[in-house]
Amino acid sequence: QQQVKQSPQSLIVQKGGISIINCAYENTAFDYFPWYQQFPGKGPALLIAIRPDVSEKKEGRFTISFNKSAKQFSLHIMDSQPGDSATYFCAASRGGADGLTFGKGTHLIIQP
Amino acid sequence: NAGVTQTPKFQVLKTGQSMTLQCAQDMNHNSMYWYRQDPGMGLRLIYYSASEGTTDKGEVPNGYNVSRLNKREFSLRLESAAPSQTSVYFCASSKRRDPTDTQYFGPGTRLTVL
Repeated sequence: QQQVKQSPQSLIVQKGGISIINCAYENTAFDYFPWYQQFPGKGPALLIAIRPDVSEKKEGRFTISFNKSAKQFSLHIMDSQPGDSATYFCAASRGGADGLTFGKGTHLIIQP
Repeated sequence: NAGVTQTPKFQVLKTGQSMTLQCAQDMNHNSMYWYRQDPGMGLRLIYYSASEGTTDKGEVPNGYNVSRLNKREFSLRLESAAPSQTSVYFCASSKRRDPTDTQYFGPGTRLTVL
């Protein structure tokens, strides 16, 4: 059973555009939702994270939008740049548990 | 400050061979994790160690064993490798046993089992 569903699997955006990646979860016990960014040949690195007590969190060009009732959250990358080209993973975890449950990843390409 | 280091970077095994993947962190973190990453599957937790001296199974522990050698080092062992274990393996660490603590990942070990 896949607990965190991520879409799309791949995404091509023009430079300067908005990249949007969506995730949906099933387990209502999840209470922490991070996004990780992975460049080829590297390990994932934390990009931004949100708790369900807020509906939006913004850090620079990266914004997480969170809809608790729909059990969905999304990553928006404003003014997308070629350097943003990477694989993005959403994840979720619940208090008292260890480790993260990851989505399957989105391969993002920003075309110059 | 190297962060999380993993050795080897690449490895090719034959079915039935054994090997140990090494991981070390220099951030004085308490918790360490092993994940595997397969195409189209995201990352899946194999084992974790909440603190020195403890280890617990994750989502996909079958075919693996782990050892938390000390606070810095956490190794993953394949006793009898199978083609299904062909994957990229990532070690990670975090300061505390708390899902909201940032997990720092190593560069990965790419393993092929023939």
